[in-house]
Amino acid sequence: GESVGLHLPTLSVQEGDNSIINCAYSNSASDYFIWYKQESGKGPQFIIDIRSNMDKRQGQRVTVLLNKTVKHLSLQIAATQPGDSAVYFCAENPRAGNMLTFGGGTRLMVKP
Amino acid sequence: NAGVTQTPKFQVLKTGQSMTLQCAQDMNHEYMSWYRQDPGMGLRLIHYSVGAGITDQGEVPNGYNVSRSTTEDFPLRLLSAAPSQTSVYFCASSGIGGFNQYFGPGTRLLVL
Repeated sequence: GESVGLHLPTLSVQEGDNSIINCAYSNSASDYFIWYKQESGKGPQFIIDIRSNMDKRQGQRVTVLLNKTVKHLSLQIAATQPGDSAVYFCAENPRAGNMLTFGGGTRLMVKP
Repeated sequence: NAGVTQTPKFQVLKTGQSMTLQCAQDMNHEYMSWYRQDPGMGLRLIHYSVGAGITDQGEVPNGYNVSRSTTEDFPLRLLSAAPSQTSVYFCASSGIGGFNQYFGPGTRLLVL
């Protein structure tokens, strides 16, 4: 079946550098995408979302880019901080209703 | 608001035992869902509900039952626990038209 996946399981960056986490999706009918952050021992927390009629959306230190041509989603974190260390999941809404399909996650490790 | 709450936080069961994982939300959200997260993996949808009295199966429903008698509560029942059900279980909720799901802190279940 169609699914959301991630290219890199682990990403290690230096504090202060920018981080880019990538996600590939295969369901062209998906019209909504979310990035979640999950810290150890906690539930996923919303970071930023984007609808399929947009290419880019910015939040505080985070930017999500959507390339529908190649079905690719990315999360950019500016000036990465130790507190950004977590597992990041992308999720898509592939059908009517509020249910989401999650990718496998990327672990971001920030080196001081 | 307390958001999404889950009890218990941690549970150990023996194979064949039954139990109920509790989930409650105080945001008057219509949509509620249960996910399981296995080590190093993303979240998989078990069951979901689009409103009181309405439930449906997700990706991995076998071995689990749900009911939705009120808007606030969405308990997940394990009928006869198996070691394969060892996992972390997350409950989530979202409002009508809101795809972003708010997650609870999770219940860690160990089945021996």
